[in-house]
Amino acid sequence: DVKVTQSSRYLVKRTGEKVFLECVQDMDHENMFWYRQDPGLGLRLIYFSYDVKMKEKGDIPEGYSVSREKKERFSLILESASTNQTSMYLCASRPPGQWEGNQPQHFGDGTRLSIL
Amino acid sequence: AQSVTQLGSHVSVSEGALVLLRCNYSSSVPPYLFWYVQYPNQGLQLLLKYTSAATLVKGINGFEAEFKKSETSFHLTKPSAHMSDAAEYFCAVTYGGSQGNLIFGKGTKLSVKP
Repeated sequence: DVKVTQSSRYLVKRTGEKVFLECVQDMDHENMFWYRQDPGLGLRLIYFSYDVKMKEKGDIPEGYSVSREKKERFSLILESASTNQTSMYLCASRPPGQWEGNQPQHFGDGTRLSIL
Repeated sequence: AQSVTQLGSHVSVSEGALVLLRCNYSSSVPPYLFWYVQYPNQGLQLLLKYTSAATLVKGINGFEAEFKKSETSFHLTKPSAHMSDAAEYFCAVTYGGSQGNLIFGKGTKLSVKP
């Protein structure tokens, strides 16, 4: 079974802090994703990466950056945390394949981040 | 832009009753479709996926979904609800390609009454 591990389940930080959320997958997947989940809004894509050192902006990249130095690890960075970034953050990975679009994404358990 | 609509943010059924969660997508191009379930304080777990093989797709935990191209729908059903089915359900669509990013619906929270 695919294992996607997010380093923290709950995190509390202060406004203005630089925050790192870590995600590791154990199945050698090329594609990795960061989402935020808010009530009534579903999941919104922040950034994704389809290879080491490659990154693409999703739908809501403002205020975030990412790092993919190794294939198995994809980090989300809040450069200067603000209260409107309080949310649930979900990491996902997806296996490669000829028809990559039809492969499901595998999710971690999420990090519930509170910015005070 | 492509979109996914889930009708009803909350659905409540009695234990043993039929579960029907609705999902419609916006494009005429046949997509790949997924249903995910999220239990409290957990990530998303794949229930089932449609990838242009059979139009009726069976998933885990007794759920199934039918792809209807003419209605651009992919509704999720289960004949008899169980208390353990209480969760939030997300429909998602992708149009394939090398990136194939998922577009999610806003989710439907299912409550099951004893």
